[in-house]
Formats: sequence, structure tokens, C-alpha cells
Amino acid sequence: ETGVTQTPRHLVMGMTNKKSLKCEQHLGHNAMYWYKQSAKKPLELMFVYNFKEQTENNSVPSRFSPECPNSSHLFLHLHTLQPEDSALYLCASSQDVSPGAHGYTFGSGTRLTVV
Amino acid sequence: GENVEQHPSTLSVQEGDSAVIKCTYSDSASNYFPWYKQELGKRPQLIIDIRSNVGEKKDQRIAVTLNKTAKHFSLHITETQPEDSAVYFCAAKGNSGGYQKVTFGIGTKLQVIP
Repeated sequence: ETGVTQTPRHLVMGMTNKKSLKCEQHLGHNAMYWYKQSAKKPLELMFVYNFKEQTENNSVPSRFSPECPNSSHLFLHLHTLQPEDSALYLCASSQDVSPGAHGYTFGSGTRLTVV
Repeated sequence: GENVEQHPSTLSVQEGDSAVIKCTYSDSASNYFPWYKQELGKRPQLIIDIRSNVGEKKDQRIAVTLNKTAKHFSLHITETQPEDSAVYFCAAKGNSGGYQKVTFGIGTKLQVIP
């Protein structure tokens, strides 16, 4: 493990279900991110949190609801998803989002299948 | 906003040959260009990066070049090995409303044939 842990690794849910993805980092980073990775598409930034405050919502549908209770934990709450939401959801962290911040540390991702 | 294009989408090389992946970006204010490697079923991992005040950077068999004027940067892998097989993503970090946003390319699937 590189310090960013995501659970669950795999999730199958129906369109009427409510589930949550969890991300935890022990790197002392202050910024955390949710990315969506779909086949044949670039990594899509969904949300950015810096010091627990949301700084970016990249036009994500309201059926995805993020929560960041502290700088070490990030959740993505899911409800009434669509089959096209099936993808790998990656959490990442970085020291911060200032000009001095550089690379991300990614988690292993949650493979989500919506049926 | 920033737009990053990456070519080719797939690349096959014989073991021992070199591989080159190219990316272009649109935002001239972008100042940081990381490359990530994602092996099958695993997380993306940063393998090398370059800042806008540097033209080239090397780390063993991997090198990255940056041409700010043309707004393109490339990843070069020499003496490729089967374990280099993976998807490689380029990215550019620029400004977006005061927050430096990372935009990724679509990825290049590299296959090294033994």
C-alpha cells in the first residue's frame, strides 16, 4: 500500500441503491481528489478538497455526493446511479493544491458496476 | 480550460527497442507535466515529471522532454522490457480560477513484446 487506501475494491449496485466509497490517506496530505476512469477516456476529475473544503466540483451530477470530514478521509456517496456510471473511481491525494504541489498519490480504486 | 492530447493510443515495440509517447497541451500557463504508469489492475503511479523551466529530465531508462514554445512534451523509454508494458498517462498542471488543475491525456497502452 502506498498510503492511500480505498474501500471497497469492487462494488456492484442496483440503480435504486445507496452506497458509499471510502478513501483514507496516511501521508499527511491536505488535498484529496475523486477521479473517474472509464475505458478509452482520460481520467476525469470529479471533486477536489483542500483542507477539508471543496474547491472544485467539475460539473458532476448530484447523484454523486462527496464528503470530507477531515484531511485524511474522503467519501463519495452514491444514489440512483445509471449504468453509464460504471467505472473505476480513483481517489488521490497531494500535499496541497498550491503552486508548489506536484504529483498525486493514487489509491487502488473502486471498480463500480451499476446494474 | 486546459486540453491535453496524447498519441499514440496504443504502441507495440520489441523488447530492447525504444518507445516514445507524445502529448500536447493548450494552456501556455501550464507549468508542471507529470507522467503516470498504470499497470493492469493497479493504481496510476508517478514515474517522472518535468517543470516548465526545464527542457529535459532523465531517470535511468526514462526521459521526458518539454518544448514550451510548441506546447508539447514527450516520454522516452529506452531499452524497453516486458515489465514496461502498461498504460501511460501524461498530464499538464495549469491554472483554473486560481486553483492549479491537473488535466490528463487519454493514455497510451504500451506493449513490449519479448
